[in-house]
Amino acid sequence: GNSVTQMEGPVTLSEEAFLTINCTYTATGYPSLFWYVQYPGEGLQLLLKATKADDKGSNKGFEATYRKETTSFHLEKGSVQVSDSAVYFCALSDGGATNKLIFGTGTLLAVQP
Amino acid sequence: EAGVAQSPRYKIIEKRQSVAFWCNPISGHATLYWYQQILGQGPKLLIQFQNNGVVDDSQLPKDRFSAERLKGVDSTLKIQPAKLEDSAVYLCASSLAGSSSYEQYFGPGTRLTVT
Repeated sequence: GNSVTQMEGPVTLSEEAFLTINCTYTATGYPSLFWYVQYPGEGLQLLLKATKADDKGSNKGFEATYRKETTSFHLEKGSVQVSDSAVYFCALSDGGATNKLIFGTGTLLAVQP
Repeated sequence: EAGVAQSPRYKIIEKRQSVAFWCNPISGHATLYWYQQILGQGPKLLIQFQNNGVVDDSQLPKDRFSAERLKGVDSTLKIQPAKLEDSAVYLCASSLAGSSSYEQYFGPGTRLTVT
């Protein structure tokens, strides 16, 4: 079945460091791919998405490129801030009869000043 | 625009007791989802409604979990009787429609602790 694997955390970085959180997926067909973020005490929010191969999703300085050949959707940011501290979830939707999201286990990012 | 509302935010019960969670989606959203998020895991879909009809409940433990969405707006999720392994955050989400073109908006969740 469809699944998402993302790197385990926590990831601890200093402010202005470069961020990469790895995400790979297994799916039949052509899924849509998402990154969600959960800030402390808040609900899940969509950060960015990509719906087809080679698409790049971007938002708030974060980027991820849909790589079909490597079945990956790695999240990157060039310079993290303390306010980026949160849990990040990679997810896919297979676009079938339902819009069910299948999530990875989440990666906790802690940015230190 | 008001977001997805859930209540209560926290609930502690003993095993074998019953509990119910309530969700009010964003106005006009036809599709409503309930997810279960166990500590250290990503959310897992329990049930999806399109208006007041069930689209997918394949991962809902139907011997103890039930959900309804009367009139296609608010929804309740019930657990009866609860087990220790039901301790989790229960997330409600809604979207305009059921295709992946439409973003799912999540509520703050209800944290359930079963002792």
